[in-house]
Amino acid sequence: DSGVTQTPKHLITATGQRVTLRCSPRSGDLSVYWYQQSLDQGLQFLIQYYNGEERAKGNILERFSAQQFPDLHSELNLSSLELGDSALYFCASSPRSGVSYNEQFFGPGTRLTVL
Amino acid sequence: AQSVSQHNHHVILSEAASLELGCNYSYGGTVNLFWYVQYPGQHLQLLLKYFSGDPLVKGIKGFEAEFIKSKFSFNLRKPSVQWSDTAEYFCAVNAGFKTIFGAGTRLFVKA
Repeated sequence: DSGVTQTPKHLITATGQRVTLRCSPRSGDLSVYWYQQSLDQGLQFLIQYYNGEERAKGNILERFSAQQFPDLHSELNLSSLELGDSALYFCASSPRSGVSYNEQFFGPGTRLTVL
Repeated sequence: AQSVSQHNHHVILSEAASLELGCNYSYGGTVNLFWYVQYPGQHLQLLLKYFSGDPLVKGIKGFEAEFIKSKFSFNLRKPSVQWSDTAEYFCAVNAGFKTIFGAGTRLFVKA
């Protein structure tokens, strides 16, 4: 158990819908990362937040957005869902500072199925 | 642009065979390097990491990796694999605020 929690574990929805995925980082970690893992695209970095501020952006679609709240939990919002958005969505967090700052601890993931 | 390349997408080995998984990255500055493992149905876990110092780093479960700066490589090795090493292995490079993951190598170890 990495200490990172994600809810829900599974989500089944229809095309065109909107969903919200939630992530709670390890206690004390300020950074949260979101990744999408699919069979054809592999592990894709979506976005990173640090203490509430967007820090880095990867291959995140305009239909997707994220935010980090004052209590440091984060939400990933996916809208106008398409079949191709079906994937595992991982959240990770990293330590506040120090030599291990860039080491990431991954949550169990949310499996999204779009029908 | 920064990138991470893992040479093998699928590797099949028999138990007790030696393992080497290649990883090359493209980035000219200071990097932190990682190998993560994802066992079937589980999330990614850190195997080992390199930040500085001895370029030969040892991780959990008998894995080690060598950072060769001149070759921009960080290859993962294990002298003798076990059936329980069946998993997907990801090389990752942190440069600045971004961590770039390789495409992953699926290792299957035959009992």
